[in-house]
Amino acid sequence: ILNVEQSPQSLHVQEGDSTNFTCSFPSSNFYALHWYRWETAKSPEALFVMTLNGDEKKKGRISATLNTKEGYSYLYIKGSQPEDSATYLCAPSYYGQNFVFGPGTRLSVLP
Amino acid sequence: EADIYQTPRYLVIGTGKKITLECSQTMGHDKMYWYQQDPGMELHLIHYSYGVNSTEKGDLSSESTVSRIRTEHFPLTLESARPSHTSQYLCASSEGVAETDTQYFGPGTRLTVL
Repeated sequence: ILNVEQSPQSLHVQEGDSTNFTCSFPSSNFYALHWYRWETAKSPEALFVMTLNGDEKKKGRISATLNTKEGYSYLYIKGSQPEDSATYLCAPSYYGQNFVFGPGTRLSVLP
Repeated sequence: EADIYQTPRYLVIGTGKKITLECSQTMGHDKMYWYQQDPGMELHLIHYSYGVNSTEKGDLSSESTVSRIRTEHFPLTLESARPSHTSQYLCASSEGVAETDTQYFGPGTRLTVL
């Protein structure tokens, strides 16, 4: 099983703060990187899928970047709101293989 | 919005019982998946299916079995539940098999075996 790391494991921020977290993954045979948001008692929800080195995707206040050469992706949240509280999962996919999920970063945004 | 359903949402059961976790999707997706997540741990793929009559084992070994008789239905069965099976089980589906295809998840079944 491939080793996918996410840091930090958890963090607490105040409403209005901007924050970012990291997903690290093996770069060999890499194909795509998926980000999901998983709110408590709900289903994981897809945020982004990225494939190209230098890719940057944006959805509202959330954006993500991808470095396929060194095997990492950053997720940024600008002006965090309480509704952003969730676990953020990254999942790289590799040629001919299924997703491998990271352990997630649990974000709590305090009002 | 994705339409993928799992029942039951919560199940508490005694050791030795046979259980079936249901998963259905109304999107006509060919590929379906079962993931297991222990508290504080990653989602691990335990089974997947490319379509009707196709079932494959995932990365994490599991004593559970699955079947795919209809496109929309992908149930998971444990013949004899044990406390080590206590976990959360999530079902997902995707339209195709490409590495870029988004997986749509159900809400999960939280299983406790006493």
